Amino acid sequence: NAGVTQTPKFQVLKTGQSMTLQCAQDMNHNSMYWYRQDPGMGLRLIYYSASEGTTDKGEVPNGYNVSRLNKREFSLRLESAAPSQTSVYFCASSDFFGGGVNEQFFGPGTRLTVL
Amino acid sequence: AQTVTQSQPEMSVQEAETVTLSCTYDTSENNYYLFWYKQPPSRQMILVIRQEAYKQQNATENRFSVNFQKAAKSFSLKISDSQLGDTAMYFCAFMTMEYGNKLVFGAGTILRVKS
Repeated sequence: NAGVTQTPKFQVLKTGQSMTLQCAQDMNHNSMYWYRQDPGMGLRLIYYSASEGTTDKGEVPNGYNVSRLNKREFSLRLESAAPSQTSVYFCASSDFFGGGVNEQFFGPGTRLTVL
Repeated sequence: AQTVTQSQPEMSVQEAETVTLSCTYDTSENNYYLFWYKQPPSRQMILVIRQEAYKQQNATENRFSVNFQKAAKSFSLKISDSQLGDTAMYFCAFMTMEYGNKLVFGAGTILRVKS
């Protein structure tokens, strides 16, 4: 199993350009998440999808859109990139386990620089 | 809203010694989960240990153990017999049992293990 995969691993954009970050998981998880990681601030939730067909805003959703394409895939789109969106982006997935909550499994991250 | 505070931005420890990383959190929930994630220079997020709030017994995983004080809302991580490979950023995280099972992260503690 590959777990959670993300593409691309690195990206440089100019202000105003758009792009989509791709995420896929092969663990049959229902829930998927997008985080951004900035120095001194830990990881902050951008959007999440609790189950296929649903998406909800997290702590820092402004400037982003998401699509839960199917159970496996959850993409993050920047319509008009801004320098403030320079960050490392992580996708994660999780599911219920034995009546309780399972850990979230993370992808390798995408380092995005907006010039 | 839940918050997670890691008051030690950086720590260092000699190889083979013991170190404790601090974490406090704020929540009005009674049921929740707590996690410690490790992020080495590779950037990959790796689960170190988890604790269910309803369990009084502190979780242990080999050289890693926690001191969970529910009333004090404290969740510290103890690393025994520190190894060079333990050098990493460590994040404390709170998982709500509400819809979406979202994670809230602390700002992280950089741990350096010295030989």
